[in-house]
This record gives sequence, C-alpha cells and structure tokens, in this order.
Amino acid sequence: EAQVTQNPRYLITVTGKKLTVTCSQNMNHEYMSWYRQDPGLGLRQIYYSMNVEVTDKGDVPEGYKVSRKEKRNFPLILESPSPNQTSLYFCASSFRTGAAYEQYFGPGTRLTVT
Amino acid sequence: DAKTTQPTSMDCAEGRAANLPCNHSTISGNEYVYWYRQIHSQGPQYIIHGLKNNETNEMASLIITEDRKSSTLILPHATLRDTAVYYCIVFLYNQGGKLIFGQGTELSVKP
Repeated sequence: EAQVTQNPRYLITVTGKKLTVTCSQNMNHEYMSWYRQDPGLGLRQIYYSMNVEVTDKGDVPEGYKVSRKEKRNFPLILESPSPNQTSLYFCASSFRTGAAYEQYFGPGTRLTVT
Repeated sequence: DAKTTQPTSMDCAEGRAANLPCNHSTISGNEYVYWYRQIHSQGPQYIIHGLKNNETNEMASLIITEDRKSSTLILPHATLRDTAVYYCIVFLYNQGGKLIFGQGTELSVKP
C-alpha cells in the first residue's frame, strides 16, 4: 500500500531533550516536506527536500533540522525542543512531475514539550 | 503568493451536491489552484488541482472562472464522510513545492 509513515505518532518530552521524528514513504517520491499545524495558524511548512541530499527552509525552520540521505526517509530533528514547538507535525511527499505536486501526507505526530 | 478567501463554514445535506467557493483574485498566470481536505486531525488529503480548465476526477470537480479569480469545488453527492475542512490553495510549483494553507472551509454534511 502506498503510504507515508511517521513515528512516533504521539510524544511527550521535556525541554532540551533531543528528539527525532521519522518519516518514510514507499512511493519513490523525489519531494518530501515537513509541516506543523497549530490552532489559528493553520499548516506551515518547516523544511522541504527536492531530492536526496537537497534540503531547503520553509516558512518556520527555526529550531528544526532535517536530513535526506536516502530517497525514502526524511527525519525531522529537534536538537533542543522548547514548549513553543508543541504542535501537530505532518510529513508529506510527492513526485516532481512538471507542476504536479500532489502531496501525500502522513498521519501526523502530536508532540508535547513540557 | 496569491491569497485565497473561503467561507469559514458551510452545511450540506447528505446526497446533495456541495459547492465550496474560493476567491483568489491576485492569482498569477502560472499559479495552480489546489484543493485539499483534512478530516479531523488526520493528514490533509489531496482532492484535485487545475490551472485554467475545469477538471474532474473520481472525488470532485473543479470549476475555475475564465478570469481565474475564483473557483468552486463540487462534491457531487456529499456523504457524511465528506465532513472535513477543505483548503483552497494557489501554488507556484517552482517555489519549492510550498503549500500555503489558509483557514479553509469547515463543511458539515448532515443527514
């Protein structure tokens, strides 16, 4: 089944404790992206990657890191999480075929930083 | 990036067509209109996209006005499972695949 998977789905952590949220897709998509969703602010893009070893900042990259060593994986790293990073996170992927960026989203990771 | 304006909420009777409007009066000639929906707090789901012509797929139809300043998403026979927040997005593909989600329309399909 074609899908984007994220782990963990739920995470409660403390300020400053490094964490990684994994994202994997089995559709051979070139493009992958991370979003966060907050009440009243909607979905905002954190980082994106056009292909392996190519990443770029989205609208809200501060406090996050990403890497794209393999085509299927795009982990999101929070080196020193803070309470303002409490949010619902989504990973997405798509082919890059001309202007068609039909993005497939993962199920989401709900992160709470205390 | 062009901004979109959508009604905050709409109701629709089950089995009837749901017509969701979107204004994008500042859209540029090479910006696409995309529609996604989000059911509760699940990941957004792609529905349809278009540039100039009307489009139809198994989920919905997209009607874009000739001046491209507005569009309408049509769910031909709404079901209770279509209750969701629907996002209209204009998207410039050469800006890194960025999707800028607005507040969307909360569609409630009622029995």
